[in-house]
Amino acid sequence: GAVVSQHPSRVICKSGTSVKIECRSLDFQATTMFWYRQFPKQSLMLMATSNEGSKATYEQGVEKDKFLINHASLTLSTLTVTSAHPEDSSFYICSARVGLGMNTEAFFGQGTRLTVV
Amino acid sequence: AQSVTQLGSHVSVSEGALVLLRCNYSSSVPPYLFWYVQYPNQGLQLLLKYTTGATLVKGINGFEAEFKKSETSFHLTKPSAHMSDAAEYFCAVSETGGFKTIFGAGTRLFVKA
Repeated sequence: GAVVSQHPSRVICKSGTSVKIECRSLDFQATTMFWYRQFPKQSLMLMATSNEGSKATYEQGVEKDKFLINHASLTLSTLTVTSAHPEDSSFYICSARVGLGMNTEAFFGQGTRLTVV
Repeated sequence: AQSVTQLGSHVSVSEGALVLLRCNYSSSVPPYLFWYVQYPNQGLQLLLKYTTGATLVKGINGFEAEFKKSETSFHLTKPSAHMSDAAEYFCAVSETGGFKTIFGAGTRLFVKA
């Protein structure tokens, strides 16, 4: 299947700094990628839909100035957590969809564990 | 709007026993349904999916699920549990041909020796 690579897998940063997480589709082009956030022992919550060459679409309640998404190429989307605070500590996962209609399938990155201290 | 309800945040079975993880969905259009597995600190792996056609879907690692429209259910089963099946399982729904995927709260499966 298609491979989605997410980097870094773990990051620890100081409160007030910014952190960038990369999501790459390694063997396919992804016009649309998705960013999820997962709190401990909870489900994945969709944060935003990242569209190549245009602005991301954020879900209700997600601060777009806090979580900056850039999808500058067909194989790379980045999520930047700006001025991070301890409450931003979480597991962030990206995914990219391949195919159309009944053949569609979403592939997920391995996730990034962000810890803000 | 679509939603997914997974009954039971934790399920415990003995090795060799039947695994049954329950999922009910709500969708105003014919849904696409998925089951994913997640191991600690890892991303999600697709177990199986239903889009159209046969309502009994077979996936990887011996898992299968049956789409029952009348019951709006998509329960996941495996005849015989293995220790390696211990993980978090997520049921998910998306609109027909749509992009956005909505996840259930997840069910943690414990397998006892």
